[in-house]
Amino acid sequence: AQSVTQLGSHVSVSEGALVLLRCNYSSSVPPYLFWYVQYPNQGLQLLLKYTSAATLVKGINGFEAEFKKSETSFHLTKPSAHMSDAAEYFCAVSKAAGNKLTFGGGTRVLVKP
Amino acid sequence: EAGVTQSPTHLIKTRGQQATLRCSPISGHTSVYWYQQALGLGLQFLLWYDEGEERNRGNFPPRFSGRQFPNYSSELNVNALELEDSALYLCASTEGAPYNSPLHFGNGTRLTVT
Repeated sequence: AQSVTQLGSHVSVSEGALVLLRCNYSSSVPPYLFWYVQYPNQGLQLLLKYTSAATLVKGINGFEAEFKKSETSFHLTKPSAHMSDAAEYFCAVSKAAGNKLTFGGGTRVLVKP
Repeated sequence: EAGVTQSPTHLIKTRGQQATLRCSPISGHTSVYWYQQALGLGLQFLLWYDEGEERNRGNFPPRFSGRQFPNYSSELNVNALELEDSALYLCASTEGAPYNSPLHFGNGTRLTVT
């Protein structure tokens, strides 16, 4: 069975500072990994996904994530935070032949001016 | 294109009652997923429907059920409501397997059980 752990339920960053959200996974098979973002009062929106191609994945809104098999990690980063990045971010994993996404507990990002 | 739509946006019920939540997927999407987002519990997978059939369900009691209609819209029913059923219920649709096609989420139905 696959699972996802997000370290830190809340992260506070200053506008213009680096955003780093941590995600570690466990999976019995090579995983497919995703980051989703949820803005207030909305559903989730896909930021990026890893599907065994390049280990560094670029997503929307300037976010990127790096798959590190040796560390079983898929951390999300953005070089410079913007006020509009305030949201909740979810890491998710799916098996290659699976049919559902398993989500981490989410990390809420607060951006300070 | 129109996104995934869910209705109602808010639903208030009392303990023991039944709740019905509805979801219309994006046109052309045949798979519908239901997730429960309860405070402090993250997103929990509830049900997956594809081509009118229930394909998988999460670790929820049988009083959580649903169906998918021929037009691929879906309904989630929760019987004998309990206080801990209070949550945001999210519906998502996809045109293929979720590892290959992104899930498109609706804005959810917030169910409050009093």
